[in-house]
Amino acid sequence: EVQLVESGGGLVQPGGSLRLSCAASGFTFSSYSMNWVRQAPGKGLEWISYITSTGSTIYYADSVKGRFTISRDNAKNSLFLQMSSLRAEDTAVYYCARSEERLVLPSRYWGQGTLVTVSS
Amino acid sequence: DIQMTQSPSSLSASVGDRVTITCRASQSIIMYLNWYQQKPGKAPKLLIDSASNLQGGVPSRFSGSGSGTDFTLTITNLQPEDFATYYCQQSYSAPTITFGQGTRLDIK
Repeated sequence: EVQLVESGGGLVQPGGSLRLSCAASGFTFSSYSMNWVRQAPGKGLEWISYITSTGSTIYYADSVKGRFTISRDNAKNSLFLQMSSLRAEDTAVYYCARSEERLVLPSRYWGQGTLVTVSS
Repeated sequence: DIQMTQSPSSLSASVGDRVTITCRASQSIIMYLNWYQQKPGKAPKLLIDSASNLQGGVPSRFSGSGSGTDFTLTITNLQPEDFATYYCQQSYSAPTITFGQGTRLDIK
């Protein structure tokens, strides 16, 4: 069974940093690209970052470019999101989601999310 | 960036009703349109990919149609468990995907 479990969320002050993790199991993690998607309280879904299986290609949404860094450790079946210069508008539930082998197919597997709150 | 616009943003209906949610893309996305259902506190659940391909285990009362820029999600014979928020998502420009703003379906 595919499982994605996010961790690392919490309360952080504006301008601060936080590192999110996503532990993957039930599939060959090193064979799949991965994504981070977030959802602000009461708002819609926003894709924020993508990384290929080897980490060689990375994309970011403009809203986080230059502040967030996606990475992965295939030996540890883990995906990461390093967030810095955090703003109040980064407050959201952050989900990791597995890409499918055909990139145009949508993510079927998502984690349960981890809440990041940016507030003083 | 491809913008996705859903309508309506909210909808009230009764058990047994038929409802339709519309999603419009700012440019042609051919058939690369997907639908998710999300319940409070839960991750999104994929219902339909490629405009009309129903996922395994999803009831047949859900259906999707459309191509190009205009798409619809139809739910017939609404059941209590269908009251949720629905999102369309374009994967034409994958991996940089975009979602519609969501349609909240409430019980009337």
